[in-house]
Amino acid sequence: AQSVTQPDIHITVSEGASLELRCNYSYGATPYLFWYVQSPGQGLQLLLKYFSGDTLVQGIKGFEAEFKRSQSSFNLRKPSVHWSDAAEYFCAVGRYDKVIFGPGTSLSVIP
Amino acid sequence: GAVVSQHPSWVICKSGTSVKIECRSLDFQATTMFWYRQFPKQSLMLMATSNEGSKATYEQGVEKDKFLINHASLTLSTLTVTSAHPEDSSFYICSAIPRTSGGTTEQFFGPGTRLTVL
Repeated sequence: AQSVTQPDIHITVSEGASLELRCNYSYGATPYLFWYVQSPGQGLQLLLKYFSGDTLVQGIKGFEAEFKRSQSSFNLRKPSVHWSDAAEYFCAVGRYDKVIFGPGTSLSVIP
Repeated sequence: GAVVSQHPSWVICKSGTSVKIECRSLDFQATTMFWYRQFPKQSLMLMATSNEGSKATYEQGVEKDKFLINHASLTLSTLTVTSAHPEDSSFYICSAIPRTSGGTTEQFFGPGTRLTVL
């Protein structure tokens, strides 16, 4: 069955600290992979995506993610978190016309 | 580019009435649009896939007579919540795949519509 797990429901980090959000998936083939961010009451903004090629993907706002096929993972990282990064983060996987979203990780940032 | 809008951004209605939510791709044509529902502090749940000129495909457990979807053009899809009840209160988000995406599945999301049924 196709699924996406984000093991951390909620993460709190201090401003300036590094961040890693975990994402694991179960899929029949290598899917396309996405990370989205959602601020309260807002729609989703795409941070980055992986379709093929280099497994380290750079995104907007200083985020990057690494695709590890052997671990079926696509973890999101940022070297130095800003207070404005506090939001909900969703990992998503899919191909063609359907995408499956993970349950989300809520990020809080301590000033 | 690739902007998706939704209207209205929020709506309050009385129980038993119907509400229509519009989803528009502003600067691209979308052969496929999606409708999601999101409960507070939860993930997005796909409700249905809408293809221009054909009937929508609903996910299991979603009442097609309750949530009417029309994809009348390559830039507009509508979701009508019929005979709304308080349990239909939720955040509804649409997304669209550009016609020229080449099958890469990247969806562009609208800002969402907050529905509150009294």
